[in-house]
Amino acid sequence: QVQLQESGPGLVKASETLSLTCTVSGGSVRSRSFYWGWIRQPPGKGLEWIGRIYDSENTYYNPSLKSRVTISIDTSKNQFSLRLSSVTAADTAMYYCARVTTSGYSGFYFDYWGQGTLVTVSS
Amino acid sequence: SYELAQPPSVSVSPGQTARITCSGEALPKKYAYWYQQRSGQAPVLVIYEDTKRPSGIPERFSGSSSGTMATLTLSGAQVEDEAVYYCYSTDSSGDQGVFGGGTKLTVL
Repeated sequence: QVQLQESGPGLVKASETLSLTCTVSGGSVRSRSFYWGWIRQPPGKGLEWIGRIYDSENTYYNPSLKSRVTISIDTSKNQFSLRLSSVTAADTAMYYCARVTTSGYSGFYFDYWGQGTLVTVSS
Repeated sequence: SYELAQPPSVSVSPGQTARITCSGEALPKKYAYWYQQRSGQAPVLVIYEDTKRPSGIPERFSGSSSGTMATLTLSGAQVEDEAVYYCYSTDSSGDQGVFGGGTKLTVL
């Protein structure tokens, strides 16, 4: 059973960079069968896809966040990470990491999720 | 940017059938997926690739898709099914993921 666990600071100052790590157990980020991704959810609001990574050469980002987001992967630690720069109060959210499974050319989805970590941006 | 539209809320009595719709221009060519999110919990996949049910999901959950609309059906809704349900899909390029706004299902 694949398990994912987010970690990182729960409080980030405005204009600084948010950094989170997702540690995977029961599976390998080296696997050629899956991507790994991030999703966020502002308090009381809906889900927003942030991006996904297959390897360092294959990353896809939400266009609305692309200029500020970097997702990277560390195969030696079986982890992948999220960096979001120049944060504002609008970036306050629960951040989830997830395993991404593809449906061929017809889509991709998140089948295993972490429990989420709340990040608050303070002024 | 690509959007998926869902009704904000649906209400049913216990034992009745609940239907939640999701509309999007790319749905004729891209799969729909459905997530259940109970209060304070991470989302759980309940339907994938339009109609498939992951192991452990009750049979009362089913999915369908026709044209630009996908539908999640709960046949015989139970109080424990109260949650927010999100549809999810990708844009026509297949590169970008998109969630619908979510539908709060009330069973009472």
